[in-house]
Amino acid sequence: DAGITQSPRHKVTETGTPVTLRCHQTENHRYMYWYRQDPGHGLRLIHYSYGVKDTDKGEVSDGYSVSRSKTEDFLLTLESATSSQTSVYFCAISESLASGDNNEQFFGPGTRLTVL
Amino acid sequence: SQKIEQNSEALNIQEGKTATLTCNYTNYSPAYLQWYRQDPGRGPVFLLLIRENEKEKRKERLKVTFDTTLKQSLFHITASQPADSATYLCALGGVMDTGRRALTFGSGTRLQVQP
Repeated sequence: DAGITQSPRHKVTETGTPVTLRCHQTENHRYMYWYRQDPGHGLRLIHYSYGVKDTDKGEVSDGYSVSRSKTEDFLLTLESATSSQTSVYFCAISESLASGDNNEQFFGPGTRLTVL
Repeated sequence: SQKIEQNSEALNIQEGKTATLTCNYTNYSPAYLQWYRQDPGRGPVFLLLIRENEKEKRKERLKVTFDTTLKQSLFHITASQPADSATYLCALGGVMDTGRRALTFGSGTRLQVQP
């Protein structure tokens, strides 16, 4: 998985609790992304980062926050988890966002989160 | 708003035949389009990229076409094998209507190749 790890891989939590998912890369890629994947919706972008301390919102950012204090780590936090946030979360990285040859995204193995 | 459509029904074909998957989009002028493969329980894996000014791209048994007039991409796997069974996602890249650059994914089509 191109030097990308996600932790935890599985988590069950209760509504209202805070949850933090971690993505770690060893590729030194500039861009990092958090997606969620749900049946019928495909992959939807939550937040992304274009550098240390530089982040921006994606399509479904409500209820989520992110932080990137180091190139290699991108954290996704659910401040107060809700059942609608039950999903599979994928982290991805890329070298570029432009329409060049090196803007393919490499994905981590995913984190399955269940909010009861 | 931008919308990407991939056939949600699984495509079942016989080994050795050509599989053709479709990706249609509306309200979008992507700079490029990518195809990914996803196996159960794993993250997507990049396969091919085609730019807006390219009509066709090939890689081994894979071929992608991109028709910006029809707003459609076709993804072909020739001489298909059971190992090609997976879900295939198309993704459009460029500037979104929000003004941000992003990659927007379709929900994928599951391909099942029967031996």
